[in-house]
Amino acid sequence: TQLLEQSPQFLSIQEGENLTVYCNSSSVFSSLQWYRQEPGEGPVLLVTVVTGGEVKKLKRLTFQFGDARKDSSLHITAAQPGDTGLYLCAGVFNKFYFGSGTKLNVKP
Amino acid sequence: NAGVTQTPKFQVLKTGQSMTLQCAQDMNHNSMYWYRQDPGMGLRLIYYSASEGTTDKGEVPNGYNVSRLNKREFSLRLESAAPSQTSVYFCASNPGQGYNEQFFGPGTRLTVL
Repeated sequence: TQLLEQSPQFLSIQEGENLTVYCNSSSVFSSLQWYRQEPGEGPVLLVTVVTGGEVKKLKRLTFQFGDARKDSSLHITAAQPGDTGLYLCAGVFNKFYFGSGTKLNVKP
Repeated sequence: NAGVTQTPKFQVLKTGQSMTLQCAQDMNHNSMYWYRQDPGMGLRLIYYSASEGTTDKGEVPNGYNVSRLNKREFSLRLESAAPSQTSVYFCASNPGQGYNEQFFGPGTRLTVL
């Protein structure tokens, strides 16, 4: 059983659409990270959120940490083909616990 | 800086063969990790080393051994490979404090026939 559940597993959208990816757990984490992974490469960190309720923006990407520090969401505004990839959340509590990932495909 | 390097990039083994996956980092990080990535499963921690001279089991350690050779290098050994170990293996490192960023290598794609 995964400690972190991500939804949806797969998402295929047209360029310009908005989307939200969710990362949920029954456990409390000291922080939560979001990574993006492209085919044939290792994951690369996008953001770390630490405080319950925290919102961080990275250009068109908005990350939110739940008030209880058990869940997080990633919202992409006006998606572009360059956003295509596998998005992974990782909860940090002594070690790193990864979700199963959301595979995003943005069609031009 | 090369960051985290892994060798080999690809490997095919027969059931029962042994091999060692190599990982090195040049960022002077204290902690190093080995993960496996399978479709629909995300990344699962096999073993980690919080600092030079220490190693600990992760979620899925069975069938693997590790060696933290020095601060730079952390190797993963499969003593008797099984088809269930077919996966993509990633090595990662981080400075070793709480929620710092993990830096990943490019991965090794292993197939066990």
